[in-house]
Amino acid sequence: EIVLTQSPGTLSLSPGERATLSCRASQSVSSTYLAWYQQKPGQAPRLLIYGSSSRATGISDRFSGSGSGTDFTLTISSLEPEDFAVYYCQQYGSSPRYTFGQGTKLEIK
Amino acid sequence: QVQLQESGPGLVKPSETLSLTCTVSGGSISSYYWTWIRQPPGKGLEWIGYIFYSGRTNYNPSLKSRVTISVDTSKNQFSLKLSSVTAADTAVYYCAREVSWNFDLWGRGTLVTVSS
Repeated sequence: EIVLTQSPGTLSLSPGERATLSCRASQSVSSTYLAWYQQKPGQAPRLLIYGSSSRATGISDRFSGSGSGTDFTLTISSLEPEDFAVYYCQQYGSSPRYTFGQGTKLEIK
Repeated sequence: QVQLQESGPGLVKPSETLSLTCTVSGGSISSYYWTWIRQPPGKGLEWIGYIFYSGRTNYNPSLKSRVTISVDTSKNQFSLKLSSVTAADTAVYYCAREVSWNFDLWGRGTLVTVSS
């Protein structure tokens, strides 16, 4: 099983700042199979990034993804108030087919 | 646009079977992989399993002995059954559509509590 470890657990920043979220895999993951989601309280997760770096439909270009192998990053260039949420990375693998990271909470400083 | 809606009991007794249905509206279920994901209160996301419209399934090994996912294409629905539930199965259960190895469309989720 591929384990995804996200860091930091909580990130405290102010609007306008740049956010960098990390997702590290226990084994190499194809960039094609790495995605990022945003989840706000009481809501379902929303797909932000797929294929490591492609933005999903309707996602602001403030969000960008990068990385390869075991290290992946989600960057939010300039935080807006609506960006404060929990972010999850997710990978597709062998067994189980899908795993998620434990999440990074992005909170207002 | 395509929408997903979970339905089913919000309370299940320990040792019984949890049953949920996801209705797909605004589009046909006869393509894509359809998935169940759960999230215990205050915790992260766990993939339960998926089904293709043809009936092919794949389950998380950690739940495989207790999980059955089925599809009814005539009703545009797919369903989850989880047997022998315990308090550890208390969670928000989401249905979702899988496209190209990620989940692009989600239902709102339904909280299922396991308690006597």
